[in-house]
Amino acid sequence: EVQLVESGGGLVQPGGSLRLSCAASGFTFSSYWMSWVRQAPGKGLEWVANIKQDGSEKYYVDSVKGRFTISRDNAKNSLYLQMNSLRAEDTAVYYCARASIWGQGTLVTVSS
Amino acid sequence: SYELTQPPSVSVSPGQTARITCSGDALPKKYAYWYQQKSGQAPVLVIYEDSKRPSGIPERFSGSSSGTMATLTISGAQVEDEADYYCYSTDSSGNPQGVFGGGTKLTVL
Repeated sequence: EVQLVESGGGLVQPGGSLRLSCAASGFTFSSYWMSWVRQAPGKGLEWVANIKQDGSEKYYVDSVKGRFTISRDNAKNSLYLQMNSLRAEDTAVYYCARASIWGQGTLVTVSS
Repeated sequence: SYELTQPPSVSVSPGQTARITCSGDALPKKYAYWYQQKSGQAPVLVIYEDSKRPSGIPERFSGSSSGTMATLTISGAQVEDEADYYCYSTDSSGNPQGVFGGGTKLTVL
């Protein structure tokens, strides 16, 4: 079965860090660009970052540049999002996505 | 930064045709993708590359693009099609930075 499963979300204080993981299965992970997309409570979808198949190209939405880092490990079929200097406005469900395949998301709450 | 613009809401009666638009300056050069999101669920791709329908998506869903506007059409909308719909594309800078439209709430009643 083709699926993506996110983990690593939780409650973190402003200024803190969190690392999200996404485990891929059922397809050749190393053949695809992968993305992180987030959705704040009651709000729309926001593209956050994406990464090329071999990790050589990475792109970010302006609001997370310098704070978030996307990475992947093709040997482990895994995608990551390292989030530093977290702010209240980063509170959202974070989805791992490959165009037609999305995980169920993991909730990140930034609050004191 | 690049933006895609959608109407906040569209309302139709069951069996009618619903059309949801998405406008963006780069759409003449970049593909549009459409996602359906029902309450509490992850988004589902319903149209890719402007007009292609993934397997398992009902034929009543179709897409088109002309100039700076892409359109999702649901012919004979059903009650179960009630959801939020988002268009997605990339800007024309050459870098694949994505952007979503603000979303359209489709009401079928």
